[in-house]
Amino acid sequence: DTGVSQDPRHKITKRGQNVTFRCDPISEHNRLYWYRQTLGQGPEFLTYFQNEAQLEKSRLLSDRFSAERPKGSFSTLEIQRTEQGDSAMYLCASSAGRGTGELFFGEGSRLTVL
Amino acid sequence: GENVEQHPSTLSVQEGDSAVIKCTYSDSASNYFPWYKQELGKRPQLIIDIRSNVGEKKDQRIAVTLNKTAKHFSLHITETQPEDSAVYFCAVIYDMRFGAGTRLTVKP
Repeated sequence: DTGVSQDPRHKITKRGQNVTFRCDPISEHNRLYWYRQTLGQGPEFLTYFQNEAQLEKSRLLSDRFSAERPKGSFSTLEIQRTEQGDSAMYLCASSAGRGTGELFFGEGSRLTVL
Repeated sequence: GENVEQHPSTLSVQEGDSAVIKCTYSDSASNYFPWYKQELGKRPQLIIDIRSNVGEKKDQRIAVTLNKTAKHFSLHITETQPEDSAVYFCAVIYDMRFGAGTRLTVKP
């Protein structure tokens, strides 16, 4: 499968624990995006990378969230000290070029914070 | 980033009728406007897109129109079928923002 892959697909954790999600984009794509989606809502932008550089981070993203893309390939999204409000689907997407092309989404990582 | 307003939030039509979903944006620099379809439990997938140098694009039963002056673009689905039932999102990729979505239900 040469699409965007995300791991894990599901994560259940207790409040206060740290979680990390991984995204492997389509190999030739230089842009990688993280979105959060809650039930009945559209994808909410979190951050994006152009190669290994993190170019924008949503103002809504608290300091507990951090993302990396160390070699311009896969990316990780870490949430520290999780809260119940962090429960959501975390979607990763990638695109080629300079950000005016199609976003290809992964299946998402569903987080449940108890 | 700017907000993307999408209307209506829910839309129910009879099979064979047309459906129209509209989005408005505020950043005049925006130049690429895709529409995504998301079925329950699945990832969003692109169904049609339009760039700012054209006013309309059509792909079989689906069309998108763009009015750059008024800063809005619309998705048109003709001859709707039950399998069109899903949530549809517009996006303004310049700002990387998505609309809140429209839940379309096509009743057989």
